[in-house]
Amino acid sequence: AQKVTQAQTEISVVEKEDVTLDCVYETRDTTYYLFWYKQPPSGELVFLIRRNSFDEQNEISGRYSWNFQKSTSSFNFTITASQVVDSAVYFCALRAPSGSARQLTFGSGTQLTVLP
Amino acid sequence: EPEVTQTPSHQVTQMGQEVILRCVPISNHLYFYWYRQILGQKVEFLVSFYNNEISEKSEIFDDQFSVERPDGSNFTLKIRSTKLEDSAMYFCASSEATPRYEQYFGPGTRLTVT
Repeated sequence: AQKVTQAQTEISVVEKEDVTLDCVYETRDTTYYLFWYKQPPSGELVFLIRRNSFDEQNEISGRYSWNFQKSTSSFNFTITASQVVDSAVYFCALRAPSGSARQLTFGSGTQLTVLP
Repeated sequence: EPEVTQTPSHQVTQMGQEVILRCVPISNHLYFYWYRQILGQKVEFLVSFYNNEISEKSEIFDDQFSVERPDGSNFTLKIRSTKLEDSAMYFCASSEATPRYEQYFGPGTRLTVT
């Protein structure tokens, strides 16, 4: 069975601070895929990034960066110089395609509030 | 940029009524999904659909639920006899064929059962 844990329920930062959102996952599969989605107050789910289990290279995209550590089963997400528009719920998700399984298993989300 | 669309954005229905939620996936995608999110909770998988049949479903997806692709573009979720606990945001998603591809979500339909 797959499981995704986001231990931080809520985080509040002041604009321009850096913030890291934690994600820990569990799976028995050796090949799997990890995702981050953003859910702004308007409610839609916006895809941010996908990482494959066989690609541990960390990535930076603008103010966003991701730290994938297979040894600790973690896939953390950092926003540098946060902005008010970053306020949203952020979900980490796992897809471990055992057999034909393609469903995403989501964590419970982290509510990020960026204060002006 | 192609996107998943869903209608209606908000549906209010009385307990025991049938509702149909509609989705138009991205046109070259082959896998379609429904998820739901009860207010303030995590997003939960309901069902995946490929090649005109259900490929996977969760425990939530019981006999009151059904999915259909009635034509080449629409993908629907029917809830036969709604219950109060069916009140949630329902998301449709689609993806390309291989497992590594991300799922793109629609804006959701908020279902309120009274």
